[in-house]
Amino acid sequence: EAGVTQSPTHLIKTRGQQVTLRCSPISGHTSVYWYQQALGLGLQFLLWYDEGEERNRGNFPPRFSGRQFPNYSSELNVNALELEDSALYLCASSLSGGANIQYFGAGTRLSVL
Amino acid sequence: RKEVEQDPGPFNVPEGATVAFNCTYSNSASQSFFWYRQDCRKEPKLLMSVYSSGNEDGRFTAQLNRASQYISLLIRDSKLSDSATYLCVGLEGDSNYQLIWGAGTKLIIKP
Repeated sequence: EAGVTQSPTHLIKTRGQQVTLRCSPISGHTSVYWYQQALGLGLQFLLWYDEGEERNRGNFPPRFSGRQFPNYSSELNVNALELEDSALYLCASSLSGGANIQYFGAGTRLSVL
Repeated sequence: RKEVEQDPGPFNVPEGATVAFNCTYSNSASQSFFWYRQDCRKEPKLLMSVYSSGNEDGRFTAQLNRASQYISLLIRDSKLSDSATYLCVGLEGDSNYQLIWGAGTKLIIKP
């Protein structure tokens, strides 16, 4: 059975550009989570989607946004990229509800120059 | 106070030794916890779940101390491959529970 898949694996952008990251959850999972992990630091929670709706949002500016599609896949959009947005962006999925075990994709490594 | 706190380490431990580290949590209503392992520049992977009775899986033992609000992870007969960052995960929220992640404890096993 396929795990959580993310695309692209690597991305290089310049300041001010926009980026879209994609995530496909494990089959049967309806919750999708997005995290940012800067080099050497812990996971920072970005967004949680469940059944197509945003359930919670971390302490990030509005230029970080996303959505979840009817097939439960998800996109993370980041507008007006800044240098400090350079990080590993991890997507996780779980069964419906926030208290369930999360399974992670391999992440998208974003470099902003 | 942070919801879930961990000693960042690093813990430098010789191969074959036993190592233990704790994680404290602030939400006394939390019912379940998890330990994840994250290798350098990789995604976190579930190591074990920790429920009220604790959990043991081979060389790994996790225990929950509700009175002092901490969970522990014990690794016996440590291997070089155990070198990683160990993430403690609890729950936050009064009704709409969500996992909350500690910043991780770095473990380095030396030959």
